[in-house]
Amino acid sequence: SQTIHQWPATLVQPVGSPLSLECTVEGTSNPNLYWYRQAAGRGLQLLFYSVGIGQISSEVPQNLSASRPQDRQFILSSKKLLLSDSGFYLCAWSGWEGMYGYTFGSGTRLTVV
Amino acid sequence: DQQVKQNSPSLSVQEGRISILNCDYTNSMFDYFLWYKKYPAEGPTFLISISSIKDKNEDGRFTVFLNKSAKHLSLHIVPSQPGDSAVYFCAASGDPGGGADGLTFGKGTHLIIQP
Repeated sequence: SQTIHQWPATLVQPVGSPLSLECTVEGTSNPNLYWYRQAAGRGLQLLFYSVGIGQISSEVPQNLSASRPQDRQFILSSKKLLLSDSGFYLCAWSGWEGMYGYTFGSGTRLTVV
Repeated sequence: DQQVKQNSPSLSVQEGRISILNCDYTNSMFDYFLWYKKYPAEGPTFLISISSIKDKNEDGRFTVFLNKSAKHLSLHIVPSQPGDSAVYFCAASGDPGGGADGLTFGKGTHLIIQP
């Protein structure tokens, strides 16, 4: 069965510090991978998606970047965090495995102070 | 420009009664609709989905209805249970298998089941 791991669960970072959130998927190959953010009082917003190694597309301009160094690894980064980067970040995967739907990781609560 | 709208931020329902969560969308290219349930500090979990070729899909206590002409869908939970208290997100996509579009989410409805 497919599983998705995301870490860390919580993170408190000062403004201007770097960020690295990691997501890995097991039990599938060549998944589509996504980073979403849920800001306070808002729905889930798609930040980045990737259909393959090294292939990253961004939905909105922002202070963040994403990378996919391996087929089942997706990393969300920032060189210098802003206060507005605070939120709940979710990694997700989707793909044809005989079922529809997206599977989300457990999320990372990022607080920039 | 919000393409998926959940106009009720919260909904309170008595245990055992029916919960009805509504969702409207504007993008006629959406062909696939999903409902997710989310507890605080956890990732959303998939509940039920429906494709645009259907108008109803049922799974246990959960039923999703789609009115494509009105661009409206609803999630019915019968009977409502205390464990159903959570935030429910409506999501839509033009590609059921994933793909580059990802999902477009509504802002969510906080369902509160009262004993």
